[in-house]
Amino acid sequence: SQQGEEDPQALSIQEGENATMNCSYKTSINNLQWYRQNSGRGLVHLILIRSNEREKHSGRLRVTLDTSKKSSSLLITASRAADTASYFCAPGRDYKLSFGAGTTVTVRA
Amino acid sequence: DGGITQSPKYLFRKEGQNVTLSCEQNLNHDAMYWYRQDPGQGLRLIYYSQIVNDFQKGDIAEGYSVSREKKESFPLTVTSAQKNPTAFYLCASSIDLTPGTQYFGPGTRLLVL
Repeated sequence: SQQGEEDPQALSIQEGENATMNCSYKTSINNLQWYRQNSGRGLVHLILIRSNEREKHSGRLRVTLDTSKKSSSLLITASRAADTASYFCAPGRDYKLSFGAGTTVTVRA
Repeated sequence: DGGITQSPKYLFRKEGQNVTLSCEQNLNHDAMYWYRQDPGQGLRLIYYSQIVNDFQKGDIAEGYSVSREKKESFPLTVTSAQKNPTAFYLCASSIDLTPGTQYFGPGTRLLVL
């Protein structure tokens, strides 16, 4: 299945620390996207990395992609309380994004 | 403000009743999607539409129907055939089906009475 699988399922960190979460998938992709969801809200797009890219940065976010291992990671640096949310990876192929179950990140003040 | 709106925020369905969830976008996007999210799970694709008057089934289309009569609107009907409709429903749009960035609405929570 193309579906992304995030690891860990949950992560609790202190404000100011870095948070790292991983995503694995099983088929070839066009791109891989990361989204954030605050409780009870819609998803917000964070970053898109194409299959021919290895690393991408956006503000405090750093995403890596290793297509040989079919895996990606999302690093949030210098976390803030506002980063508390669920994070989803979504491997993209053809018309479809396949969302995993997400990593729930809690940032403690 | 450009974006996607969904209504209502909460919807209650009685057994045997069909209910319709609204989704409107003013982003001038061609593609629109409906997803279902169950607690602790990822999003599952119900239907998607690439263009007006055209739509395709996703992974879990049984018990649902859609229409795309206008570019801006993609309503989802949860029919009485959907035996477990309680979930959070999310509508999204993108420029096209490449797959590019998807922009999500705030969601509708459907509960069964």
